[in-house]
Order: sequence, then structure tokens, then C-alpha cells
Amino acid sequence: DAKTTQPNSMESNEEEPVHLPCNHSTISGTDYIHWYRQLPSQGPEYVIHGLTSNVNNRMASLAIAEDRKSSTLILHRATLRDAAVYYCILRGETSGSRLTFGEGTQLTVNP
Amino acid sequence: DARVTQTPRHKVTEMGQEVTMRCQPILGHNTVFWYRQTMMQGLELLAYFRNRAPLDDSGMPKDRFSAEMPDATLATLKIQPSEPRDSAVYFCASGLVRLRERKTYEQYFGPGTRLTVT
Repeated sequence: DAKTTQPNSMESNEEEPVHLPCNHSTISGTDYIHWYRQLPSQGPEYVIHGLTSNVNNRMASLAIAEDRKSSTLILHRATLRDAAVYYCILRGETSGSRLTFGEGTQLTVNP
Repeated sequence: DARVTQTPRHKVTEMGQEVTMRCQPILGHNTVFWYRQTMMQGLELLAYFRNRAPLDDSGMPKDRFSAEMPDATLATLKIQPSEPRDSAVYFCASGLVRLRERKTYEQYFGPGTRLTVT
């Protein structure tokens, strides 16, 4: 699977939007972009996924660049509960259901 | 609210002992994953099953680890004999593969089993 690059850490203030970037310059045409997050002392939690078009769900929005070499996870109003490690993962056709987690971005939300 | 459950939540054992971790996937899910998380290696996939058959166990040390699904509601991960380097949090996850797509997009993780081998 192609590699992703994320900042090690980011900070945000409560009730403000958060934009978490992910670079994936070697992405192939059939790679899906997945985002998971892991709250302290919990298992990872699915957030969102997409292929080419921007996606919205109740948790977040995923903005995918036109050339697909980068994407941004958008939390519209951060809460203290959103403090977690956020993982951006590419999953290719040959991976089946396999997900390869990197180091992710540690998001701190300030009150 | 359907959830993946794992038992035990914590396990402390001595080197050389057998350890069995259990997972109950979400009812109706047909794919089950086992992951291990350590500070050094992060989150690694050990193995996964579809319809109770192992599909990929390439991440699992074969000499001491074994994973099975005795039935659709139970997955087990065994370590025999356990070693201190096996100390980690072990997560089970489940998902549903839709008929025409052959892959699951959403994996639902359990709370994990924290294993300490002394």
C-alpha cells in the first residue's frame, strides 16, 4: 500500500473547526482513503473513508484533493472528546480488508 | 448499540504460560481481525478471518501464536508459550463484507486485552 504522511501532533480549541492533513503522493487510482481515530485507552474507531469525491458523515468530512495526492479530515466543531490519535490509511485493491496503521496525528483539544 | 466484546480485559501471566484471548464479533459480521499494539511497533495486523476461515495470518508469529474461530460468535487468539515480548494490547475487530465488494470498509474494534508477561 502507498505511504501516508501526517503531522505528529496538532492542537485545537474547543468548538473550533479542525483540519487534519494527510499527504499520500504515491496513491494509486484504486486506493481508498480511510480515517480512524483512537481515543485514550480505547480501540480504534472508524471515522470516514472515500475514493475520489468529498464525503460527509455525522462525525466528520473528508476533503480529497483533485489529484488525490492529499486529503484533509475536517472536524467541524471540536469537542474535548475529539482528543485522540487520528490515522490516515490507504487501502489498495490487493490489500483486501487489510489496514496498515501508521503513527497518526495526536490531536489535543484545549478547553 | 452493537459492540465487539473482548475477554479478559487485563491479563498478567508468567513467561511460559499459555494465554487465551477471546472475542465476540458484532452479530452478523463475517470478517474478524486480530491486531496487536505496542509503543514500539504501533498497531499491527496479526490475522483475519472471513466466514470463519483464515484469510491472512502473515503478521502472526506461527511458532507460538494461533488464531481460530470455533463458531461465528467466537474468535480466539492463543499464545503458547508466552514471552515478555508478547506484552501488548491485543485488539479484535469485526466488519461486514458486502457480497459484491469483497472487502470491508468499516472495522469495529473491541476495547482490547492488555497482556503483561513477566
